[in-house]
Amino acid sequence: GQNIDQPTEMTATEGAIVQINCTYQTSGFNGLFWYQQHAGEAPTFLSYNVLDGLEEKGRFSSFLSRSKGYSYLLLKELQMKDSASYLCVLGNTPLVFGKGTRLSVIA
Amino acid sequence: DAGVTQSPTHLIKTRGQQVTLRCSPKSGHDTVSWYQQALGQGPQFIFQYYEEEERQRGNFPDRFSGHQFPNYSSELNVNALLLGDSALYLCASRYLSGRYEQYFGPGTRLTVT
Repeated sequence: GQNIDQPTEMTATEGAIVQINCTYQTSGFNGLFWYQQHAGEAPTFLSYNVLDGLEEKGRFSSFLSRSKGYSYLLLKELQMKDSASYLCVLGNTPLVFGKGTRLSVIA
Repeated sequence: DAGVTQSPTHLIKTRGQQVTLRCSPKSGHDTVSWYQQALGQGPQFIFQYYEEEERQRGNFPDRFSGHQFPNYSSELNVNALLLGDSALYLCASRYLSGRYEQYFGPGTRLTVT
């Protein structure tokens, strides 16, 4: 089976950097996604890692270590609009979603 | 280029009733998946349709059924509604042989009273 663990809630200050961690267990690995979901809206794709290392995309970066079953999403220069839930997702077929980390960005 | 669309946006039903939710995939996509998202939880996979057939199914009872049409649009049907079926129902599409990420529709908020 598959299992995903990520913190339930985090709070950070506007302009700061925040790291959202995710650990997972899976019998087969087909990559790891991060999705952003604003309250009441659909998840939107942020990143995909299939090889170990860091993928950078603007203010957002995602890291993967397959041997440790670990990933993180790094958000820089936080903005108020970054307040949302961030979902760690195993790229199996079908996708397996974590419960999400609700990030609150405060002034 | 239209993204994934879903209808209706909101729906209120009574226990025991039946409901049909609709999804049109993003242009060029041929695979549609349905997810149920309870409040404060991540989406849970219901089933996936490709070439008008159910290809994979999650841990949901037979009360949940679906269909895919030749134009790739899809329906989710839920019979004998229970209070616990209240959730956001998300449709996601992708091109099976193409890029890996799925594109989600805005969802249908179903409330069962």
